This record gives sequence, structure tokens and C-alpha cells, in this order.
Amino acid sequence: EAGVAQSPRYKIIEKRQSVAFWCNPISGHATLYWYQQILGQGPKLLIQFQNNGVVDDSQLPKDRFSAERLKGVDSTLKIQPAKLEDSAVYLCASILTGGTEAFFGQGTRLTVV
Amino acid sequence: RKEVEQDPGPFNVPEGATVAFNCTYSNSASQSFFWYRQDCRKEPKLLMSVYSSGNEDGRFTAQLNRASQYISLLIRDSKLSDSATYLCVVNLYGNKLVFGAGTILRVKS
Repeated sequence: EAGVAQSPRYKIIEKRQSVAFWCNPISGHATLYWYQQILGQGPKLLIQFQNNGVVDDSQLPKDRFSAERLKGVDSTLKIQPAKLEDSAVYLCASILTGGTEAFFGQGTRLTVV
Repeated sequence: RKEVEQDPGPFNVPEGATVAFNCTYSNSASQSFFWYRQDCRKEPKLLMSVYSSGNEDGRFTAQLNRASQYISLLIRDSKLSDSATYLCVVNLYGNKLVFGAGTILRVKS
């Protein structure tokens, strides 16, 4: 079974630039998450989707971050404009409907300079 | 107060040692609980779920105390390969998974 796919693996951008990350969850997984993990910290939930609807985005900095999952399958997370403090690993995860185990992608490591 | 708090690390232990990690959560309505393991520069992976009755998987034992809002993980006979960050995870509701900051374990020969 294919795992959660994320791209790109690494991205370096200058502050105030824009960046987008892509995630394709495991087939059939209705719940999709985007987490931000800053070095030395645990993953912080940015947004949770159930199919193509947003379940929770209370910690998403909506002035600069946006995410969508238009067809209830793959998802994109965008940052515009980026700040230095956005440097982190962005992890996508998914859960099968009725399941409890979250499967994570390898993440995108973002460096803002 | 943070939703999920863990023991600060790192824990440096010799091979063969027994080590215990603790975690507390603030929301008494939390529904389910997990320990995830994260190796350096890798993604988190589920280690085990945590039940009120306690559960064991080989050298690993997890306990949940709902009254105290406390979760623990015990690792017996530590191996070098157990070196990793252990993340306490709480399902607040509807699969909203909240992670603790993690505890670093270093097992040394």
C-alpha cells in the first residue's frame, strides 16, 4: 500500500516569497491533517479536513496560510508571504474513516532566509 | 496551560535500563490516547495506543489514568534502537490529534 506522499521534500525561499506544498493521502483516508513541526518541538496542528470540508483550522495563521482539499483527495498548503519563523517541517497525515492510526508523509522541510 | 505536556528530556540511559515517560493532558473530555515514536529527521509513527486497562507490547507498557489525566510509557530492557523522540498524543474529539512536545531518549552502550 502506498503511503502518504508529499512534495517537495525541501524548499528554501526568501522571506516575503510564496510557497506551496502538496500532499496525497493514502487512498480511502477521509481525514487529512497538516502539521507544522519547528525544530525541537512537537507537531502543531494547522488544519484538519474531513473529505473536502474543514473540521478544525483554529491554529492556522489565516493572514498568510491557506489550505484546500477541493476534491476530498489531495491537498495543498500555501504560505504567502513567508516569514523567517515559518521555517519548519510541514507534515501531512491521514486517517482511514473509523480508524485511529495517523499515517504521516515524510514532510517538507522549509527554510525561510 | 498546554493541552498535552510531557516530561522534559533528554533521558540518557544505558542499554538494559528501564525508563518511564509521563504525560498529562488538560481536556478531561479527551477520547483516546497514543504514543508515537519519531526518529531523527523522520516522520512520527504510531508506537501504541493507550487504554485505561493498560496495555503491553513486548518491552513497552502504556498506562492511562483518566482521573488524574495522566498517561505513561514504560520501556524495559532498553536497546540502542529505542533511541528516538517519544510523542504523547491525545485525540480531543473527532480525531483532532494534539501532540506533546516530545521526550528525547538516548540509549547508550
